[in-house]
Amino acid sequence: DGGITQSPKYLFRKEGQNVTLSCEQNLNHDAMYWYRQDPGQGLRLIYYSQIVNDFQKGDIAEGYSVSREKKESFPLTVTSAQKNPTAFYLCASSIVGARDNQPQHFGDGTRLSIL
Amino acid sequence: ILNVEQSPQSLHVQEGDSTNFTCSFPSSNFYALHWYRWETAKSPEALFVMTLNGDEKKKGRISATLNTKEGYSYLYIKGSQPEDSATYLCAFRSGSARQLTFGSGTQLTVLP
Repeated sequence: DGGITQSPKYLFRKEGQNVTLSCEQNLNHDAMYWYRQDPGQGLRLIYYSQIVNDFQKGDIAEGYSVSREKKESFPLTVTSAQKNPTAFYLCASSIVGARDNQPQHFGDGTRLSIL
Repeated sequence: ILNVEQSPQSLHVQEGDSTNFTCSFPSSNFYALHWYRWETAKSPEALFVMTLNGDEKKKGRISATLNTKEGYSYLYIKGSQPEDSATYLCAFRSGSARQLTFGSGTQLTVLP
């Protein structure tokens, strides 16, 4: 089955540590996205990538970094500079087409907590 | 940052009731409006992508309308069932951006 796999489902981090969240897709989608959800808020965009080896900051990129070395993979690193990293993180992907009105497909998410 | 608002924040209805909720978005520079359904412990699932003013889309008992001139979209559920219980998210894309801006969602609970 095609889809998006995020791992791990739950992640715990000590203060001052960097941590990397995995996102893999086998949908052959060009675009991938990382969102953060906090209680009572909508999904907020952290980073997105339209093509391999290229990515753009979203609305809340500070304290995060990404890479896009392969089409299938878009890992997100939460650095120690992110002062409030406890949240639910969702990865998504979509086709990039001529009309560019394609829906996004989402993974199951990773919940990150600070110890 | 664009303002996308959904109302109500939460809603409880009885099985068999019909219901609707609203997504408000900027009325200028419209490109597309997305609706997603997010059930607990699952991933969000796309319902509709709407692009034209006056557009109406339907998927089973769920339908949506779009008014880009006044900046709102309605999602309707006819004859709600317990399996319709979920958070319904809308997301707006402007013509000058490649990313979506999400509302905070409407959490629907359908009571048997």
